[in-house]
Amino acid sequence: EAGVTQSPTHLIKTRGQQATLRCSPISGHTSVYWYQQALGLGLQFLLWYDEGEERNRGNFPPRFSGRQFPNYSSELNVNALELEDSALYLCASSLARDGEAFFGQGTRLTVV
Amino acid sequence: AQSVAQPEDQVNVAEGNPLTVKCTYSVSGNPYLFWYVQYPNRGLQFLLKYITGDNLVKGSYGFEAEFNKSQTSFHLKKPSALVSDSALYFCAVRDRAGGYNKLIFGAGTRLAVHP
Repeated sequence: EAGVTQSPTHLIKTRGQQATLRCSPISGHTSVYWYQQALGLGLQFLLWYDEGEERNRGNFPPRFSGRQFPNYSSELNVNALELEDSALYLCASSLARDGEAFFGQGTRLTVV
Repeated sequence: AQSVAQPEDQVNVAEGNPLTVKCTYSVSGNPYLFWYVQYPNRGLQFLLKYITGDNLVKGSYGFEAEFNKSQTSFHLKKPSALVSDSALYFCAVRDRAGGYNKLIFGAGTRLAVHP
């Protein structure tokens, strides 16, 4: 069974540009979570999608947005990129709202 | 609001010795608790979870964790540490109250096992 897949693996953007990160959950999982992990730091919760709807949002500015598609895959969009947006962005999926989440390998976003 | 605390930034252990990585939590209802491990430049790997039942939970790679409701703790343990256990460990919690709830992570504890 395929795990959570994220693309691209690495992404380099310049300040002010937009970045789109993609996530495919494990087959059958309806919940998708996005986290930001800055270098050497913990995971900061960004967004939670379940059954196609945004269920919860972390303390991030509106230029961080996303969506979940009918097949439960998800996109994270970051507009007007800033240098401090450079981080590892992790996507996770879970089968149930109270189950364990399984993580992808992440997208390393570098803003220069 | 739900929260997780990992009071130690780093834990140093000699190979073969027992290890403990501490975690305390705060939720409004009953918790679902999880431990994850992260190796360099990788995503998180699920180790174990507590939902209900026996307070001692066994997980992957010989790890176990003990749920203590009175102390609101969920410490990760292993009887004999390996050098390959060196990694970043995260505790996480879901609050059952309210239905829809996100998974909240602690800040992480770096485990260094020395030969």
